[in-house]
Amino acid sequence: KAGVTQTPRYLIKTRGQQVTLSCSPISGHRSVSWYQQTPGQGLQFLFEYFSETQRNKGNFPGRFSGRQFSNSRSEMNVSTLELGDSALYLCASRPRTGGGTEAFFGQGTRLTVV
Amino acid sequence: DQQVKQNSPSLSVQEGRISILNCDYTNSMFDYFLWYKKYPAEGPTFLISISSIKDKNEDGRFTVFLNKSAKHLSLHIVPSQPGDSAVYFCAASDYSEKLTFGTGTRLTIIP
Repeated sequence: KAGVTQTPRYLIKTRGQQVTLSCSPISGHRSVSWYQQTPGQGLQFLFEYFSETQRNKGNFPGRFSGRQFSNSRSEMNVSTLELGDSALYLCASRPRTGGGTEAFFGQGTRLTVV
Repeated sequence: DQQVKQNSPSLSVQEGRISILNCDYTNSMFDYFLWYKKYPAEGPTFLISISSIKDKNEDGRFTVFLNKSAKHLSLHIVPSQPGDSAVYFCAASDYSEKLTFGTGTRLTIIP
């Protein structure tokens, strides 16, 4: 079974631009979550989607948004990029929503804002 | 407010010996706990998990212990191997999908 696939792996953007990251979950998994990893804040939860609906949201500004498609693939968008948005963005998939199940992570997208 | 804490930023262990990584939590609503291993610039790899209805779970060389009264869990790796060198994160969840992660412990196995 293929794992979680994130594209692109690396991205360099200029402050003020916007960016879209993509995530394809494990086949059959319907829950997709996004996390941000930075040296200072560690791994922080952004949001979770299940059946094309956002189920849970972390403490991030409205510049961070996402969506999920009918095939469970998900995209994350960050508008008006700031230098502090430089981070490793990780996507995780689960077979179902709710707690009590393992989350499997992709390789991540390394975003650098200059 | 750090709800999941890993107080040891780093740990060095001789190859073949036991590695013990510790994690404390403060939120009583957490009922599911996981350990992940992470290499630089890669996503975390799931290792082992435990539900709050158990106090121990084993999978090969990895064993997780949960002490609910102390709000403490630990990961034991026996025997430790050079390939175990990585950063280890503990994570906790309640009824929701959100995982709350600790800050990680860098484990170095000395040959």
